[in-house]
Amino acid sequence: DTEVTQTPKHLVMGMTNKKSLKCEQHMGHRAMYWYKQKAKKPPELMFVYSYEKLSINESVPSRFSPECPNSSLLNLHLHALQPEDSALYLCASSQVGVGGWNTGELFFGEGSRLTVL
Amino acid sequence: ELKVEQNPLFLSMQEGKNYTIYCNYSTTSDRLYWYRQDPGKSLESLFVLLSNGAVKQEGRLMASLDTKARLSTLHITAAVHDLSATYFCAVDGRGSTLGRLYFGRGTQLTVWP
Repeated sequence: DTEVTQTPKHLVMGMTNKKSLKCEQHMGHRAMYWYKQKAKKPPELMFVYSYEKLSINESVPSRFSPECPNSSLLNLHLHALQPEDSALYLCASSQVGVGGWNTGELFFGEGSRLTVL
Repeated sequence: ELKVEQNPLFLSMQEGKNYTIYCNYSTTSDRLYWYRQDPGKSLESLFVLLSNGAVKQEGRLMASLDTKARLSTLHITAAVHDLSATYFCAVDGRGSTLGRLYFGRGTQLTVWP
C-alpha cells in the first residue's frame, strides 16, 4: 500500500466555521507533512511531524492547527480562516533515517481543495 | 536559503519532438526529486536522484543529476499528448531539517498534435 489518503477532497467553509482536514498513511512512514498549494504555484511547506512530534512550523498562522494523534494519522484543524487561505492542501509522508532526516521521496495524497467564503 | 530555478516555465511542443527541462539549485544537495502534477490533482513522484551522475529513465522521460554543477535535467523524448502536465523539481538541502524540500516554480508542458 503506497497511498496517502486525504479527506475530504473538497471543503467549503465560512470564515467563522471550524473544520478539519484528515490524512492517513499505512506505509510505516514516521514523517508526515502538510503543504499548501495555490493555483499555478509550487507547494509551500506548512508543518512537519517526525515520530508524532512537530518538528517544523513554517510560521503558519494559528488559525491552522496541526495534530498527529498517531504515526498513521495527521489532522489539520481550521478555524476562522480567511478567503486567501483557499488553496489545495496536500498531505505527504516519508521514511525517516537514523539522523532524523528524510531518507527518500515524499508520497503525496490527492489533496483537499479548500474554499473559504 | 536554497534557491531552485526551473526553466522554461512554459513549454509548448509538438508531438514527436524532444526537449529538456532544466533545474538549477543554489547550494549543495545530494537529493533531487522530479514530480508531475496534472491540473487539480496531487503530485506524482517521477524520479528520485540521490547521487552525482544518477540517471533514471521511465518511458519517454529521463532525469539526470550533476551535483557539482548543481543541475538536474528532465529530458522528454518523442513527446506525446499524455505528457501534458506541470513538472516540478524539488531539492532536499544538505543539512536541512527533515522534510524541507525546496521546489522550483514548475514547468507547464503542453504537447500538441
